[in-house]
Amino acid sequence: DQQVKQNSPSLSVQEGRISILNCDYTNSMFDYFLWYKKYPAEGPTFLISISSIKDKNEDGRFTVFLNKSAKHLSLHIVPSQPGDSAVYFCAASALSNYQLIWGAGTKLIIKP
Amino acid sequence: DADVTQTPRNRITKTGKRIMLECSQTKGHDRMYWYRQDPGLGLRLIYYSFDVKDINKGEISDGYSVSRQAQAKFSLSLESAIPNQTALYFCATSAFGGIYNEQFFGPGTRLTVL
Repeated sequence: DQQVKQNSPSLSVQEGRISILNCDYTNSMFDYFLWYKKYPAEGPTFLISISSIKDKNEDGRFTVFLNKSAKHLSLHIVPSQPGDSAVYFCAASALSNYQLIWGAGTKLIIKP
Repeated sequence: DADVTQTPRNRITKTGKRIMLECSQTKGHDRMYWYRQDPGLGLRLIYYSFDVKDINKGEISDGYSVSRQAQAKFSLSLESAIPNQTALYFCATSAFGGIYNEQFFGPGTRLTVL
């Protein structure tokens, strides 16, 4: 059973608009959540993270929102740019266990 | 130069062959990881090592073994490769004490087992 789920395999967004990527989790023990970005033929690179004690974290065009009661987080990219086209992975970990549990990824396509 | 390197980048092998994937890092991190990525499944942890003398099985360790030759080197072996081990393999590192366990990845090795 997948503990971290990204239910949208792909998402297409117009350049300049907002991209919203979603992630759901089932394990209430998760303390930290991370978003990674992956280009073809490269490894994932860290994008932004959030602790379970917060509900929002911003870094430039990227904002992550956490809704603990719904066990849901989302990544907002505003405005979307062509270079944002990539696969985005959501990952979660518990303080007691340093393993990261990964979602299946969402492929974001930014249309010109 | 890349902080985390993996060799080879691509490998095609036959069922039953022994194969080794190598990972080196210059980040000075103590922790190293091996993952595999399959379509629709995200990344799954095979083995991880918190230091040279500490090796731990991950979610899907069956059919794999690892060796931590030094702080900077972590190798993954498939003793007798089988077709369902065809996947993209990533090595990653992280620093001790980072609460988010931010991991830094190599470029990946695409392995095909015929």
